[in-house]
Amino acid sequence: DGGITQSPKYLFRKEGQNVTLSCEQNLNHDAMYWYRQDPGQGLRLIYYSQIVNDFQKGDIAEGYSVSREKKESFPLTVTSAQKNPTAFYLCASSIGPRGRKNTEAFFGQGTRLTVV
Amino acid sequence: ELKVEQNPLFLSMQEGKNYTIYCNYSTTSDRLYWYRQDPGKSLESLFVLLSNGAVKQEGRLMASLDTKARLSTLHITAAVHDLSATYFCAGENTGTASKLTFGTGTRLQVTL
Repeated sequence: DGGITQSPKYLFRKEGQNVTLSCEQNLNHDAMYWYRQDPGQGLRLIYYSQIVNDFQKGDIAEGYSVSREKKESFPLTVTSAQKNPTAFYLCASSIGPRGRKNTEAFFGQGTRLTVV
Repeated sequence: ELKVEQNPLFLSMQEGKNYTIYCNYSTTSDRLYWYRQDPGKSLESLFVLLSNGAVKQEGRLMASLDTKARLSTLHITAAVHDLSATYFCAGENTGTASKLTFGTGTRLQVTL
């Protein structure tokens, strides 16, 4: 089955610790995205990548880092510099620039990160 | 910079009633998307609206797009409890990179 897989589903982080959220897709999509969702709110873009080895900051990139070494994978690291990391993190992918008629984004199941 | 606003933020409606959710956006957006989110779950794609005047329907939901007014609507016909969820619209920032900007969502509660 084609889709987007995020892991883990739940993650607990101690103060001052870096943690990495995994996102893998087998849809052959060029573009991948990371969004953050706080309770009762919409989605805010953290980072996005249109092609391998290239990524751009979104609206709230501070305290986060990403890499895009493979087309299928776009891991997100939440660093200790992110002061309020507790949130629901959603990874998405889309065809990207070559899909000019339709760049619908498909989402993974999300990772719920809690600081303890 | 594209901004997307939805209203209402919360909607409680009785089964069998009709209602409309509105999505306004601030600058040109090539496409408009509607998503559904159940509590604690991911987002499910509902509609992709690609051009001015586009109308799409799926069951009791119908979405439309007016690019001149920068307005999209999601109309609910004869609501049922299963439609209770949060609905998001998203506009697309085009240019060198394509990315979605989401509205704050409309939490729909359908009561018996």
